[in-house]
Amino acid sequence: NAGVTQTPKFRILKIGQSMTLQCTQDMNHNYMYWYRQDPGMGLKLIYYSVGAGITDKGEVPNGYNVSRSTTEDFPLRLELAAPSQTSVYFCASSYPGGTNGYTFGSGTRLTVV
Amino acid sequence: QKEVEQDPGPLSVPEGAIVSLNCTYSNSAFQYFMWYRQYSRKGPELLMYTYSSGNKEDGRFTAQVDKSSKYISLFIRDSQPSDSATYLCAMANFGNEKLTFGTGTRLTIIP
Repeated sequence: NAGVTQTPKFRILKIGQSMTLQCTQDMNHNYMYWYRQDPGMGLKLIYYSVGAGITDKGEVPNGYNVSRSTTEDFPLRLELAAPSQTSVYFCASSYPGGTNGYTFGSGTRLTVV
Repeated sequence: QKEVEQDPGPLSVPEGAIVSLNCTYSNSAFQYFMWYRQYSRKGPELLMYTYSSGNKEDGRFTAQVDKSSKYISLFIRDSQPSDSATYLCAMANFGNEKLTFGTGTRLTIIP
């Protein structure tokens, strides 16, 4: 059972470039989330989805886009990368309500130079 | 004021000591309380989960919730070097699909 799989694990982008962070889960979870984690700042919610075709903004959505065409996949798109987007990105999934806890992926470490 | 406050540490204790990690919160609607453990360069993993007030024990770990004081704690008994990690508290109210996380406390157990 793979759980939540994120690719790539590491990436260096130049300012202005774009990329997609991939996230796949095999637990048939309806809910999926994207967080970024900066040192000393905790986890900040970027976008979340309660099911295929439904997405909503979190706390820090600017500069990012998401789509949810299937239950399993929830890619995060970065357009026109900026140094402020240097961070570690985590994808997570949960059953409806999320109150039974999230399952997190192992993260993507992104540096924008 | 942040909804969830957590002392970032770092906290260093000798092996075998009892560790106490804490969070305070301001939203009285929170009913679900969790602790996540995050090893360096890994994703957070769910460690403990409690609903409403009271204590929950799992091996060397005890989670405590005091809703009247809006205060939650995680106790680690007989701490081991393998417990060295960042511990994040998280909480949610019923019907809200989004968890609110603390900033995490970095813990080091010294052999």
